[in-house]
Amino acid sequence: GAVVSQHPSRVICKSGTSVKIECRSLDFQATTMFWYRQFPKQSLMLMATSNEGSKATYEQGVEKDKFLINHASLTLSTLTVTSAHPEDSSFYICSARPATSPIGGYTFGSGTRLTVV
Amino acid sequence: GNSVTQMEGPVTLSEEAFLTINCTYTATGYPSLFWYVQYPGEGLQLLLKATKADDKGSNKGFEATYRKETTSFHLEKGSVQVSDSAVYFCALSDRQGVSGGYNKLIFGAGTRLAVHP
Repeated sequence: GAVVSQHPSRVICKSGTSVKIECRSLDFQATTMFWYRQFPKQSLMLMATSNEGSKATYEQGVEKDKFLINHASLTLSTLTVTSAHPEDSSFYICSARPATSPIGGYTFGSGTRLTVV
Repeated sequence: GNSVTQMEGPVTLSEEAFLTINCTYTATGYPSLFWYVQYPGEGLQLLLKATKADDKGSNKGFEATYRKETTSFHLEKGSVQVSDSAVYFCALSDRQGVSGGYNKLIFGAGTRLAVHP
């Protein structure tokens, strides 16, 4: 089945530094990937839609200059949290859907827990 | 706009008990409906889905029926196990028309299930 690999699974960084999270579709091409953020014991909030070869589409209230998304190939999207602060600490999850899957057949990565100290 | 409402948790059950987690939705168009499960520290896994009214999704003993008249998609399992302990998310995919392109997933708040021996 379709597999999405997300890396790293955990990262701790100092306040003010930047962190890059990778999301790869291992056995399919994904023209569109999605980035979510999840706070403890809460639901997933869609941050942005990553489009291969073009700019990402950000949800209302998400700072595009802080959360940089690059989708340079059909199998890789990256989310960079720039100048991270403690309030950016969260669980970030990506997802993608193979073009051949029926509507809604999303596959999720295993998530990245970011802790900013 | 589109939204998903789930019953609040946590839901605490004894092993072999009957499970119901309520989910209702508000949507325009032709949404597909999903249940995802999240085990501690992991990403989301698709549990089951239904793409049109009266469809029943089923997997691993779990079932949910797409009820358009009541705008519901309640999750049920006849006999839960300790290994079912997780957070369950109801979600909808807002399809744009009959053959729309990519679709966002809109999640409910999640319901934590704890099953005790």
